[in-house]
Amino acid sequence: EVQLLESGGGLVQPGGSLRLSCAASGFTFSSYAMSWVRQAPGKGLEWVSAISGGGGSTYYADSVKGRFTISRDNSKNTLYLQMNSLRAEDTALYYCAKAPAGSSMGRYMDVWGKGTTVTVSS
Amino acid sequence: QSALTQPASVSGSPGQSITISCTGTSSDVGGYNYVSWYQQHPGKAPKLMIYDVTNRPSGVSNRFSGSKSGNTASLTISGLQAEDEADYYCSSYTSSTTLVFGGGTKLTVL
Repeated sequence: EVQLLESGGGLVQPGGSLRLSCAASGFTFSSYAMSWVRQAPGKGLEWVSAISGGGGSTYYADSVKGRFTISRDNSKNTLYLQMNSLRAEDTALYYCAKAPAGSSMGRYMDVWGKGTTVTVSS
Repeated sequence: QSALTQPASVSGSPGQSITISCTGTSSDVGGYNYVSWYQQHPGKAPKLMIYDVTNRPSGVSNRFSGSKSGNTASLTISGLQAEDEADYYCSSYTSSTTLVFGGGTKLTVL
């Protein structure tokens, strides 16, 4: 069974940093692009970032470019999101999601984790 | 990148059909056949319902169908059931090599 399990969320002050992790199982992790999608409380979905299967190509939403860094360790089947210079508007539930085969960034997400909550507040 | 435009809410009675629209631009919805739709029940993760405009993943009911005309994509749910009550989001690949979501539509089954 394909599973994605996010971790690393928590409460952080504005300007602080946090690293999210997503442990993948049940599929050949290195063969698939992966994405992070977030959802602010009571709001809609927002695509944040994506990375190719090999990790050589990365993609970011304008709202996080220069502050967030996506990466992956295929030997550990784990996806990461390093979040720096955090702002109140980054407060959200962060989902890890798997892309279909044959796409370097993932034109859609076919499997989602349950999410990890990030709260940016003083 | 601006969010795609969806109606805030739609409703229908059991057994009826409803359609949710998703309007973008020639740089996203109109430019690529890479529109997807997601269903999200309260407190749950999104679930893929339609990909590449018209395709249904294995396990998704054939009551769900997708289409596109110009810069507007649509999700149609036929034979509405109580379990279909949820939030629905469209998404599209963009010319900026990003993905963009719609604002979401709350479906109420009367």
